[in-house]
Amino acid sequence: ETGVTQTPRHLVMGMTNKKSLKCEQHLGHNAMYWYKQSAKKPLELMFVYSLEERVENNSVPSRFSPECPNSSHLFLHLHTLQPEDSALYLCASSQDRAGLDSGANVLTFGAGSRLTVL
Amino acid sequence: QKEVEQDPGPLSVPEGAIVSLNCTYSNSAFQYFMWYRQYSRKGPELLMYTYSSGNKEDGRFTAQVDKSSKYISLFIRDSQPSDSATYLCAMSPYGQNFVFGPGTRLSVLP
Repeated sequence: ETGVTQTPRHLVMGMTNKKSLKCEQHLGHNAMYWYKQSAKKPLELMFVYSLEERVENNSVPSRFSPECPNSSHLFLHLHTLQPEDSALYLCASSQDRAGLDSGANVLTFGAGSRLTVL
Repeated sequence: QKEVEQDPGPLSVPEGAIVSLNCTYSNSAFQYFMWYRQYSRKGPELLMYTYSSGNKEDGRFTAQVDKSSKYISLFIRDSQPSDSATYLCAMSPYGQNFVFGPGTRLSVLP
């Protein structure tokens, strides 16, 4: 497999359930990201991991808990979600967290996990 | 004011038309600009990126940046039904933590 793979592609859960989204990248990248995409809204950056260390946490509620066991795998653990959390959750990776003089940081996205919270 | 604004569409054009997709922004520090294309039930994929002002061409696609007006455009020449997708602009001051627009949905009708 190549690129960024996300599972499951679709998930329906109740507000009291616990579930996890999984992301795997086969690109040898060092940085991985979780984004939330809601209808007609910009992509919202949730978490960033660089070399397995969380470097960004953009005021995301604690009911979302990321985990990065190694540079190829990223999880998003979900617990007691709300209906407004229903969205497409996109995982992405990039070669690194390119800084000021390193040029653009190109993201490769997975196909996303469509989450519906009832 | 939103940091990046983009008309959500949908924009419908006949096959062969020239398409112009635009984003405006408020942060004058942005100097890295990207366009992503997202097909239905897929993740976004990078189409083009530019640094600072000017034009960049790649086949039927031209990206244009006007920093003085805080305005970027993506032109698609000879549009094809396969160009039907949502187009997202993204921008950043330093080449990381890109801020995305909400996307414009484009339909190219055969």
